[in-house]
Amino acid sequence: GAVVSQHPSWVICKSGTSVKIECRSLDFQATTMFWYRQFPKQSLMLMATSNEGSKATYEQGVEKDKFLINHASLTLSTLTVTSAHPEDSSFYICSARTSGRAIAGEQFFGPGTRLTVL
Amino acid sequence: GENVEQHPSTLSVQEGDSAVIKCTYSDSASNYFPWYKQELGKRPQLIIDIRSNVGEKKDQRIAVTLNKTAKHFSLHITETQPEDSAVYFCAASTTGTASKLTFGTGTRLQVTL
Repeated sequence: GAVVSQHPSWVICKSGTSVKIECRSLDFQATTMFWYRQFPKQSLMLMATSNEGSKATYEQGVEKDKFLINHASLTLSTLTVTSAHPEDSSFYICSARTSGRAIAGEQFFGPGTRLTVL
Repeated sequence: GENVEQHPSTLSVQEGDSAVIKCTYSDSASNYFPWYKQELGKRPQLIIDIRSNVGEKKDQRIAVTLNKTAKHFSLHITETQPEDSAVYFCAASTTGTASKLTFGTGTRLQVTL
């Protein structure tokens, strides 16, 4: 149980294009999903928190107009990197949590998406 | 907000030896402390966690200790094996609907033969 998937697992795009990454909870309802970015040899940095049906809450320094997050259902959240540039190249990881798990604090992580912007 | 520091950044041990990774946190309201193992290009895997109502938790070769007064917690791996080689992250958070994890900077553990 508690499986989270991400699609695509890797993507290469040209500078200036937009890329959409999907995060799905496969066997539970995710009331909250989190998006992280991880640069090589660095830690996971939280970008934003999204609750189903409401606007995402972005961490300080994260451009909400560049990183569009939609959490339209209890099993799907999407991250769109708009007008991607080489500095956006990174490993993007989502995680999901149910309302019951919120009490426990536990999150379930997706496998990550490697984005390379040329 | 919460700030989590982690040491050492790299750790090399011989197979069979023990490894210890230490973390400190700043927010006294934090009460959930998970540890993750991450292999290159993979997702973080929860290996053990501890809550503020206990001081120690053990699962086979892995143990975690928590000192709430000093705001630090540690991961102990005994009888290390080559497959323990990975990057380990500690994290801290409160619990509840508004909670979020703050990660440490990571420790690259290398277990040599």
